[in-house]
Amino acid sequence: KNEVEQSPQNLTAQEGEFITINCSYSVGISALHWLQQHPGGGIVSLFMLSSGKKKHGRLIATINIQEKHSSLHITASHPRDSAVYICAVEGVPKLIFGTGTRLQVFP
Amino acid sequence: DVKVTQSSRYLVKRTGEKVFLECVQDMDHENMFWYRQDPGLGLRLIYFSYDVKMKEKGDIPEGYSVSREKKERFSLILESASTNQTSMYLCASSRQVGEAFFGQGTRLTVV
Repeated sequence: KNEVEQSPQNLTAQEGEFITINCSYSVGISALHWLQQHPGGGIVSLFMLSSGKKKHGRLIATINIQEKHSSLHITASHPRDSAVYICAVEGVPKLIFGTGTRLQVFP
Repeated sequence: DVKVTQSSRYLVKRTGEKVFLECVQDMDHENMFWYRQDPGLGLRLIYFSYDVKMKEKGDIPEGYSVSREKKERFSLILESASTNQTSMYLCASSRQVGEAFFGQGTRLTVV
């Protein structure tokens, strides 16, 4: 069993839909990251969380430390949100990545 | 405002060449990591270092070596590149107690 599990693996949506991507982990962590990777592109850090909730534009990330779970939400999704979203946790001392969620948003 | 810099975004090398992938961080982080990303397998740890001149094997170290002569620089070395090392390589750094930063990744193609 992977130490970091993401769901779903693939997600398609119509423009404007509200999207949720989930990340569950089984190890003790000091922080959790959400990363974005566009097709053929580099990896961009979206959020780093150790508790609570963060918001940036249409993106919201939450974490529940007790339940070892985080969610990434995208409101009013747009085709330019199409990318792979990756959850990564900071264990001791390693970073552990989920396998990613591939999101496609259609106009 | 770039904190973790990988020397190249795209790289094409020939089979058998010695390849150096460089990663530099400006945050005085103790820990540095090299991962590779492959379709269906996600990001897998190749090597990490928790201090200068210290290194630890990750999950897939075969065919790679690393060097950390200075705290800010962590180099991944492919002694004799092979086509199965064509991949996306990601460097990251963190403090002992968290707060990681990521490079943008290097897409290496071995022909």
